[in-house]
Amino acid sequence: GAGVSQSPRYKVAKRGRDVALRCDSISGHVTLYWYRQTLGQGSEVLTYSQSDAQRDKSGRPSGRFSAERPERSVSTLKIQRTEQGDSAVYLCASSLGYNSGANVLTFGAGSRLTVL
Amino acid sequence: TQLLEQSPQFLSIQEGENLTVYCNSSSVFSSLQWYRQEPGEGPVLLVTVVTGGEVKKLKRLTFQFGDARKDSSLHITAAQPGDTGLYLCAGASETSGSRLTFGEGTQLTVNP
Repeated sequence: GAGVSQSPRYKVAKRGRDVALRCDSISGHVTLYWYRQTLGQGSEVLTYSQSDAQRDKSGRPSGRFSAERPERSVSTLKIQRTEQGDSAVYLCASSLGYNSGANVLTFGAGSRLTVL
Repeated sequence: TQLLEQSPQFLSIQEGENLTVYCNSSSVFSSLQWYRQEPGEGPVLLVTVVTGGEVKKLKRLTFQFGDARKDSSLHITAAQPGDTGLYLCAGASETSGSRLTFGEGTQLTVNP
């Protein structure tokens, strides 16, 4: 596709439930990131994967966050046992490579998660 | 852990005014990017600066990378309501590759 697509755009979950968010990245992009964006705390990387790695490298100390990449241009972020503090916008971004900081990241529109 | 401090966090100005947003860190970055994000959308890249002291201009926007590559600024001249949005700076280090560290963002509102 022409851009990065995320679904669902909005998700409301009860505390304690598991949530899965999907990202369809750009064909040919090697690296895929998941960022969490909250007001006042900015955007922090949760996990990222390079190439065809199906298991992502987690940037978070909590084991509740994980991502899988069943296809090169598809990733699913899974949040287990959601907490109210998980309420945020989850952004997916992909880039052509990993090794250069000058690589352009293309972001999806985000999935807004609200945990009640 | 590399941190980027962005200021101000909120800025509300009148159309035609000038403004500057700052992005500071105690760490050195190999490159720094500025993004603009509108409500309900993801961040969109405006510019990448990679050389200390570099200045880049994009119409009414001027981006500067500090000589020591620890800070950056975004200056907007004669702001317009269409400039309203969330401006984010993001840095990459030699070891982080394309994995970016983001500032908290500056929410700019330009009133007509």
